[in-house]
Amino acid sequence: GENVEQHPSTLSVQEGDSAVIKCTYSDSASNYFPWYKQELGKRPQLIIDIRSNVGEKKDQRIAVTLNKTAKHFSLHITETQPEDSAVYFCAASGGGADGLTFGKGTHLIIQP
Amino acid sequence: DAGVIQSPRHEVTEMGQEVTLRCKPISGHNSLFWYRQTMMRGLELLIYFNNNVPIDDSGMPEDRFSAKMPNASFSTLKIQPSEPRDSAVYFCASRPQGANQPQHFGDGTRLSIL
Repeated sequence: GENVEQHPSTLSVQEGDSAVIKCTYSDSASNYFPWYKQELGKRPQLIIDIRSNVGEKKDQRIAVTLNKTAKHFSLHITETQPEDSAVYFCAASGGGADGLTFGKGTHLIIQP
Repeated sequence: DAGVIQSPRHEVTEMGQEVTLRCKPISGHNSLFWYRQTMMRGLELLIYFNNNVPIDDSGMPEDRFSAKMPNASFSTLKIQPSEPRDSAVYFCASRPQGANQPQHFGDGTRLSIL
């Protein structure tokens, strides 16, 4: 089955700086890669996703890149703000498996 | 759109008791997923349904766990008998028809087995 590794587990950045979270996956048949943001005690919320026919996708301050050859994808947040503090999860699915396999999460801390 | 609705939000019960978690997917979504979240294991897929039919239950940890989807607007996850190690947050998610559509999560049920 699919295995998703996520790094780092904790990331602390100064407000206004950029943050990058990286994930790798094992199943070359995976073709859908969403990112979720989860605040303490809340549900995971989709913030951006990318499909394997696209190398990069951007939505305002958030961007995701995908390298299918290397089987890794990354989340980039620019001009970080205090409200970006949360746990971020990457996930992968596809190849006939509809359920998401999640990484272990990254706790992003925005220092004022 | 009301989103995915789960009940109860919190459940505290003693080990050995039967626990039933409920989920109402977003109207029109034809896929439904049950996940479990713990500190140790993170977010894990338990089971999912397409058009009310269970497709993959390989994530269900033991025979004590069972899930049903009697119609397009309702699903249950049952644990019988419950054990302390079942304590976790259980999320339900739904998704529209079509490959690689985004999954939308409910607010979860925080389950504590004493």
